[in-house]
Amino acid sequence: DVKVTQSSRYLVKRTGEKVFLECVQDMDHENMFWYRQDPGLGLRLIYFSYDVKMKEKGDIPEGYSVSREKKERFSLILESASTNQTSMYLCASSSGDRGTGELFFGEGSRLTVL
Amino acid sequence: AQTVTQSQPEMSVQEAETVTLSCTYDTSENNYYLFWYKQPPSRQMILVIRQEAYKQQNATENRFSVNFQKAAKSFSLKISDSQLGDTAMYFCAFMKHVSSTLGRLYFGRGTQLTVWP
Repeated sequence: DVKVTQSSRYLVKRTGEKVFLECVQDMDHENMFWYRQDPGLGLRLIYFSYDVKMKEKGDIPEGYSVSREKKERFSLILESASTNQTSMYLCASSSGDRGTGELFFGEGSRLTVL
Repeated sequence: AQTVTQSQPEMSVQEAETVTLSCTYDTSENNYYLFWYKQPPSRQMILVIRQEAYKQQNATENRFSVNFQKAAKSFSLKISDSQLGDTAMYFCAFMKHVSSTLGRLYFGRGTQLTVWP
C-alpha cells in the first residue's frame, strides 16, 4: 500500500520557535510538495521539489524553507514560527510521469503557534 | 496564473440522491488535466476522478462522473446514489500538460458536501 507519512499529526509551538515538519514517501516518487490548507482558502502551495536537493517556490513561500537531502524525504522548516502560520500542512508526492498528475497525500500536520 | 473556482462552499444531499458540484477554471492552455479530490473528515485526501482535456468523453468512476465543457471551462462532478461515506470536502484541481510544470496542481477552495441519512 502506497504511503506518504507525516511525522506529526498535531504540534503546538511558541512564537519564534523553529519548527520542522517531516514527510516521507515510500513510492520512489520524484516530485514532492508542501501545501498549506486554511478554511475558505483551499490548498496553497508553499514549496515543491522535483529531485533531491532541488526546490522551487510555490505561491506562499515567505517564512518557510525546505530541505530534500534524500529522495523519499521532504522537510518543511519554519525558521521562526508566527501565529499566522497556525494551519494544516499537507505533504504530497507524485511520480515524474506528469501524464498522470495524481498526488498522494499524507494525513496532514496541524500546527498551532501560540 | 491558473485559477480554479468552486462557487459552492457547502452543499448537502440526502442519501441515495444525486448531487452535482461545480467547478470553473481559467487558462490559456489547450492541453491540461482536471481532477476532483476528496478529503473525508480527519482523513487523507484522495483522487476521485481525472479528466484529460484532449478527450471529449467525460470520465466516469463508478458513482462519480464529470461534465467537462471545455469551451465554457467548466468541470462539474456528479455523485449518483449518494452514500454517507461521501461526506467530505471536495477539491477541484487543474494541471498544465507541459514539462515545465513538474506536476504542479492548482486547487479550488473546496466544497464541503454533507450527505444526510
